[in-house]
Amino acid sequence: AQSVTQLDSQVPVFEEAPVELRCNYSSSVSVYLFWYVQYPNQGLQLLLKYLSGSTLVESINGFEAEFNKSQTSFHLRKPSVHISDTAEYFCAVSDGNFNKFYFGSGTKLNVKP
Amino acid sequence: SAVISQKPSRDICQRGTSLTIQCQVDSQVTMMFWYRQQPGQSLTLIATANQGSEATYESGFVIDKFPISRPNLTFSTLTVSNLSPEDSSIYLCSAGVWRNTEAFFGQGTRLTVV
Repeated sequence: AQSVTQLDSQVPVFEEAPVELRCNYSSSVSVYLFWYVQYPNQGLQLLLKYLSGSTLVESINGFEAEFNKSQTSFHLRKPSVHISDTAEYFCAVSDGNFNKFYFGSGTKLNVKP
Repeated sequence: SAVISQKPSRDICQRGTSLTIQCQVDSQVTMMFWYRQQPGQSLTLIATANQGSEATYESGFVIDKFPISRPNLTFSTLTVSNLSPEDSSIYLCSAGVWRNTEAFFGQGTRLTVV
């Protein structure tokens, strides 16, 4: 079985500051890892994903996440956040059926001016 | 990519009644799923909607409470039966698209039971 833990329920940060949203997973099989973002009053959108290959993956809006197998982590980072990054971020794991996910509890990122 | 249309977007229902949520996908779909997002909590997988056969339910969810239909590849319904205030949640439809390694989500249905 798979499970995902997001330790931080809320992360307040000032604009242009760096941020890290933590995600740890447990699985008995090979996993594929995802970060989804939910902007206020919108649906879930894929931010980035790790399937194989390079352990560092990037999104088009400056976020990156690194797959660390030994620490079973997939933390999300951004060196300088913007007000528009205010959203809830969900880490998710899939067991190879890419369409079926198990989600963490979510982290609300609140970027302040 | 895929566009998932879910309706209704929100509803307020009396306890003891039922609500049926519809999900329509505009692309060639491989699998469809239903999730629940309770207030302040994460998304929990309810079931996999199987075309032409009974849905596959996750632990803690049963067919009598959450009957699901999927009469064709691109359409599914979720019914939440015998509503109680504890069923107040956002319900989301999700679909996987052929040759695509991500899932797509509908906007969700916000259900309030009074």
